[in-house]
Amino acid sequence: AQSVTQLGSHVSVSEGALVLLRCNYSSSVPPYLFWYVQYPNQGLQLLLKYTTGATLVKGINGFEAEFKKSETSFHLTKPSAHMSDAAEYFCAVTRAGLYSNNDMRFGAGTRLTVKP
Amino acid sequence: DSGVTQTPKHLITATGQRVTLRCSPRSGDLSVYWYQQSLDQGLQFLIHYYNGEERAKGNILERFSAQQFPDLHSELNLSSLELGDSALYFCASSVSDQNTEAFFGQGTRLTVV
Repeated sequence: AQSVTQLGSHVSVSEGALVLLRCNYSSSVPPYLFWYVQYPNQGLQLLLKYTTGATLVKGINGFEAEFKKSETSFHLTKPSAHMSDAAEYFCAVTRAGLYSNNDMRFGAGTRLTVKP
Repeated sequence: DSGVTQTPKHLITATGQRVTLRCSPRSGDLSVYWYQQSLDQGLQFLIHYYNGEERAKGNILERFSAQQFPDLHSELNLSSLELGDSALYFCASSVSDQNTEAFFGQGTRLTVV
C-alpha cells in the first residue's frame, strides 16, 4: 500500500523567498507522485507529476519537484514565492503503471502562507 | 474553472436527514470520482464511476450511495446524516479510467447540525 507524509502542516515564507514543501512517500511498488494545489473555496488542481523519465519535474506557476528514490522524497520547490502562491498543497502517490485516480493516496496537506 | 460543476456549493442540514449532491463532469469525461475532505480524515476517496458503471469503492459508508446517469452526471446520496459527516465533498472527472489527470470541482460544503 502507498502513503505519503507531508512534513509541516503550515509553512510561512516571505514574498520572494524560496518555497520548500516536503513530501516523503512509502510504497511497496514503484510510485507515481503528484503535487496538487487547492486555493480557498476551490477544488484541487494538478501542479506537476512524476511518472517516468527525468526525476526533476517542472510544473505550472514556476514550481518544480525532484523524485529522489534513495530518500523516498518528492519535495516541491519554487525559487521565489509570490503572494498568489498562498494556498494548500497536497502531495499524492499511486502505483506506477496503469493507475486510476481512485488508487491515489493524499497527504494531509501543507498550508503555505506568503508574507509581504 | 476546471469544467466540473458541483451543486449546491453549501448545504446545511440536520442530523438524521438525507441529502443529494450533484456533479456534472467535464464535457467528454467518462469517469467521475467522489472524495470527502475533512479536518480529521484528510482527503479520502469514496467511489468511482466510469460510463455509468461503478468501478471502485473506497472509504464509503453504507449510509452513502452514488450513481452515474446516462448523461454522465453523478449524484452522491448521503442519508441518516451524523455530525461527523460534515465535510467538503469533491467530485472529480477524467477522460478515461486510468492514467489520466482528474479535474476537480469546487466542492460542496456539507454542514450537519
